[in-house]
Amino acid sequence: GAVVSQHPSWVICKSGTSVKIECRSLDFQATTMFWYRQFPKQSLMLMATSNEGSKATYEQGVEKDKFLINHASLTLSTLTVTSAHPEDSSFYICSARDSRFDTQYFGPGTRLTVL
Amino acid sequence: ILNVEQSPQSLHVQEGDSTNFTCSFPSSNFYALHWYRWETAKSPEALFVMTLNGDEKKKGRISATLNTKEGYSYLYIKGSQPEDSATYLCALYGGATNKLIFGTGTLLAVQP
Repeated sequence: GAVVSQHPSWVICKSGTSVKIECRSLDFQATTMFWYRQFPKQSLMLMATSNEGSKATYEQGVEKDKFLINHASLTLSTLTVTSAHPEDSSFYICSARDSRFDTQYFGPGTRLTVL
Repeated sequence: ILNVEQSPQSLHVQEGDSTNFTCSFPSSNFYALHWYRWETAKSPEALFVMTLNGDEKKKGRISATLNTKEGYSYLYIKGSQPEDSATYLCALYGGATNKLIFGTGTLLAVQP
């Protein structure tokens, strides 16, 4: 199956700093990528849809200035958590849509801890 | 707001047991249902994409059925093995929106 990588796999940062998470589709091109967030014992919640070459579409309640998304190429999308606070601590996971198979392939996720 | 529910939340079985889980979803405006298998520290792995009412798909010892009229899908595992231990997620696909709405998953633990 298709491979999506995500980096870093975990990060610990101080409150007020910004953290960038990368999502790459390794063996296919993805015009659309998705960013999800998961709190303990909850389902994966879609944060935003990232479209190559255009602005991301954010879900209701997700602050676009807080969670900056850039999809500059067909294989890379980045999520930057700006001025992170402890409540931003969560598990962030991306997926990339392979239009050939109408399937989303997921990265392994990033565990963010903000102290 | 679409609500996708999975039951049970967790399941412990012995090696060799067969098991099944349920995914319930709103039956109106159905487009597709996805099943994923998610092992700890790995990426969720796509298992099935179900689109038609009455669909039945199989991959080795794992199979899935779909009933779009009543809004449910079953995932079956025949002869569970320890390597089947994972969280099984279902997700409703919104079609034109390209969005996946996930359930909370069923955590399966298979004891050797």
